[in-house]
Amino acid sequence: GNSVTQMEGPVTLSEEAFLTINCTYTATGYPSLFWYVQYPGEGLQLLLKATKADDKGSNKGFEATYRKETTSFHLEKGSVQVSDSAVYFCALGSGGYNKLIFGAGTRLAVHP
Amino acid sequence: DAGVIQSPRHEVTEMGQEVTLRCKPISGHDYLFWYRQTMMRGLELLIYFNNNVPIDDSGMPEDRFSAKMPNASFSTLKIQPSEPRDSAVYFCASSFGQEMRSEKLFFGSGTQLSVL
Repeated sequence: GNSVTQMEGPVTLSEEAFLTINCTYTATGYPSLFWYVQYPGEGLQLLLKATKADDKGSNKGFEATYRKETTSFHLEKGSVQVSDSAVYFCALGSGGYNKLIFGAGTRLAVHP
Repeated sequence: DAGVIQSPRHEVTEMGQEVTLRCKPISGHDYLFWYRQTMMRGLELLIYFNNNVPIDDSGMPEDRFSAKMPNASFSTLKIQPSEPRDSAVYFCASSFGQEMRSEKLFFGSGTQLSVL
């Protein structure tokens, strides 16, 4: 079946450091891929998405490229801020049923 | 719009008691989802509704769990009787079916449930 695997956290970085959070997936067909972010005490919210191979999703300085050949959708940001501290979830959408499959989440802590 | 509204924000109860979690989806959204988040299992889909009808409840852990959606603006998740292993954060989310391909979910702030 479909599944998503994320790198384990926590990831601890200093402000302005480069961020990569790895995400790989297993799926039949051509799923859509997403990154959701959960700030402390809040629900998840969509950060970015890509719907087909080689698409790049981007938002708030974050970006991720849908790589079909490596079944990956790694999240990157060139310079993180303290306000980026949150839990990041990679997700796969199988389409048609409006149902997402989430990875386990990766906690990011950014220190001044 | 106020977004997806969940209540209560926190619930502490004793083992064996009945617990009812509530959700008001965003007006106009026709899909509603209940998720459970734990450290061990991450984010799990429990059940989802389309136009108030349960579509897939395969994620509901056992018969102690039940969910209803009596109308388009209200849903409940009930646990009876509750057990300590039910302690988790329960999220409600909604979406608009016309944007199904976008698969964008709007989450509530969650209910932190602690069963002692």
